[in-house]
Amino acid sequence: AQSVAQPEDQVNVAEGNPLTVKCTYSVSGNPYLFWYVQYPNRGLQFLLKYITGDNLVKGSYGFEAEFNKSQTSFHLKKPSALVSDSALYFCAVRDSGGYNKLIFGAGTRLAVHP
Amino acid sequence: GAVVSQHPSWVICKSGTSVKIECRSLDFQATTMFWYRQFPKQSLMLMATSNEGSKATYEQGVEKDKFLINHASLTLSTLTVTSAHPEDSSFYICSGQEGINQPQHFGDGTRLSIL
Repeated sequence: AQSVAQPEDQVNVAEGNPLTVKCTYSVSGNPYLFWYVQYPNRGLQFLLKYITGDNLVKGSYGFEAEFNKSQTSFHLKKPSALVSDSALYFCAVRDSGGYNKLIFGAGTRLAVHP
Repeated sequence: GAVVSQHPSWVICKSGTSVKIECRSLDFQATTMFWYRQFPKQSLMLMATSNEGSKATYEQGVEKDKFLINHASLTLSTLTVTSAHPEDSSFYICSGQEGINQPQHFGDGTRLSIL
């Protein structure tokens, strides 16, 4: 069965420091991976995706993610965090069972402190 | 680009009322639309998947007669919560997808409160 794990409920980072939000996955076949961000009372915004190609994927707002097949991970990173990055982040993998469904992780709340 | 508009953003109504939520893709054709429910401080729970012109595919445990989904065009899908009760109160989010392996683009959600 396919699944996504986000092991941290919350990540705290000082503004200007690098941030990492962790994600590991379990799929059969090639993984199609996504990161989304959710601000309060809003829907999800697409940040980036990995389908094939370079393991380092660059996305919106300065975020990037590194696909690591051997560790089955797809961690989200940013070199210098902003207070405005504080939000809820979801990792997702496409369900290979059809219909293009996404399987979401539980979410990680990122808090960036001034 | 890839904007999804969801209306209304907030609904408060009496128990027994039916509520319709609209989801429109404004600048792309959404071959597939998805409806999710999100409880406070939890992840998204997929309710159903709909392809334009076809009946929706509901996830296990989701009552199709209670949550009516229509996807009549490539830019519009609607979710109708029939005879809503307080336990249906939640945050409902739709998304649209243009094609296979493309990201889903989400609306801003509808907060439904049933009194």
